[in-house]
Amino acid sequence: DAMVIQNPRYQVTQFGKPVTLSCSQTLNHNVMYWYQQKSSQAPKLLFHYYDKDFNNEADTPDNFQSRRPNTSFCFLDIRSPGLGDAAMYLCATSRATESNQPQHFGDGTRLSIL
Amino acid sequence: AQSVAQPEDQVKVAEGNPLTVKCTYSVSGNPYLFWYVQYPNRGLQFLLKYITGDNLVKGSYGFEAEFNKSQTSFHLKKPSALVSDSALYFCATTKAGTALIFGKGTTLSVSS
Repeated sequence: DAMVIQNPRYQVTQFGKPVTLSCSQTLNHNVMYWYQQKSSQAPKLLFHYYDKDFNNEADTPDNFQSRRPNTSFCFLDIRSPGLGDAAMYLCATSRATESNQPQHFGDGTRLSIL
Repeated sequence: AQSVAQPEDQVKVAEGNPLTVKCTYSVSGNPYLFWYVQYPNRGLQFLLKYITGDNLVKGSYGFEAEFNKSQTSFHLKKPSALVSDSALYFCATTKAGTALIFGKGTTLSVSS
């Protein structure tokens, strides 16, 4: 089945040690998103790509960066994770930038910081 | 600014009873409204959306939602709840582009 796949499902890293989370999609969607979700709160958008165009949310910390080498893959890099970065990170895709298109989510990567 | 509100943190119903999860919106122009469901340790799953047209929208797993412009509401409903419907439900709208703006979420608990 076409889907959004996130690896790993669980990631443990040390305080200050860079970590990369990955997302792949078989939907061939133009848009890919990264959300941060903390303990049953609403997901918070960090940034999104429309094809190669990167769009950063104004309040996303500089510590968070992203790469999209091709249509299928997108990576979230956390340069120096702090304890406050422990969260579920969700990747999502949508077909285009029309606001009426639903987003398709992966199952997330739960990040723990030691 | 576009926003949605979910006034209830938790909704409890007995299996077989109808359920309603409430959502109100504040949107300029024509609203695009969505419902998503999240099971523990899983991503969000799209249930249904309202774009325009019929005020009663039917979605996945027997859910439906009623768009009410005068009350600026988009409540999620199901005629007969199942224990397996227990999950976290998010109402959402969109801002410029496709960025989703979520409500705070409502935990639905269905007891057997």
